[in-house]
Amino acid sequence: QSALTQPPSASGSPGQSVTISCTGSSSDVGGNNYVSWYQQHPGKVPKLMIYEVNKRPSGVPDRFSGSKSGNTASLTVSGLQAEDEADYYCVSYAGSNNYVFGTGTKVTVL
Amino acid sequence: EVQLVESGGGLVQPGRSLRLSCAASGFTFDDYAMHWVRQAPGKGLEWVSGISWNSVSIGYADSVKGRFTISRDNAKNSLYLQMDSLRAEDTALYYCAKVFSRRFDYWGQGTLVTVSS
Repeated sequence: QSALTQPPSASGSPGQSVTISCTGSSSDVGGNNYVSWYQQHPGKVPKLMIYEVNKRPSGVPDRFSGSKSGNTASLTVSGLQAEDEADYYCVSYAGSNNYVFGTGTKVTVL
Repeated sequence: EVQLVESGGGLVQPGRSLRLSCAASGFTFDDYAMHWVRQAPGKGLEWVSGISWNSVSIGYADSVKGRFTISRDNAKNSLYLQMDSLRAEDTALYYCAKVFSRRFDYWGQGTLVTVSS
């Protein structure tokens, strides 16, 4: 149950794109399509942004997109806006009602 | 409206026990798996434990296995986390979360557990 690996930080100017990686193993990320992404602003509750690798819940802007290749999932935020500045976490189902979170990435809008 | 309200947190000495509760409303509680996720101060999110709708399937993070016990009472729309042999590293904000199709779609506001002498 090792945490999924994410870069500690990522940044971009308003209007630019930023991509966050999430690397696991064949036991989690690479073994199923149940990867989800959460946004957390300081002092706030995490919010679901992407589920099942690339699906967006209603209300989440289409600037947010997800993908996966092998044991690595990615979240891309296009057209960065000031309100996108937050911490982002990936999560993968790991079988037998177990889940593993990523280490988290702080996104800064320059 | 889905609501998840955690309670039971507080200050506890190392080695002691604490029981967290999560009161659910706004959805059919016994249709969904429920989980606990924690966040130590200034740190990232960590999955703690989860339980299926019928309590048949239960999972624990290695860091809490053998010390924490998750349970639910569908008649009371409630989720619980019994935490024994608490350690300083268990200090965190504990969130209750509803799971739908392997995603955490609703979260409570959390209850703070502080383990310190």
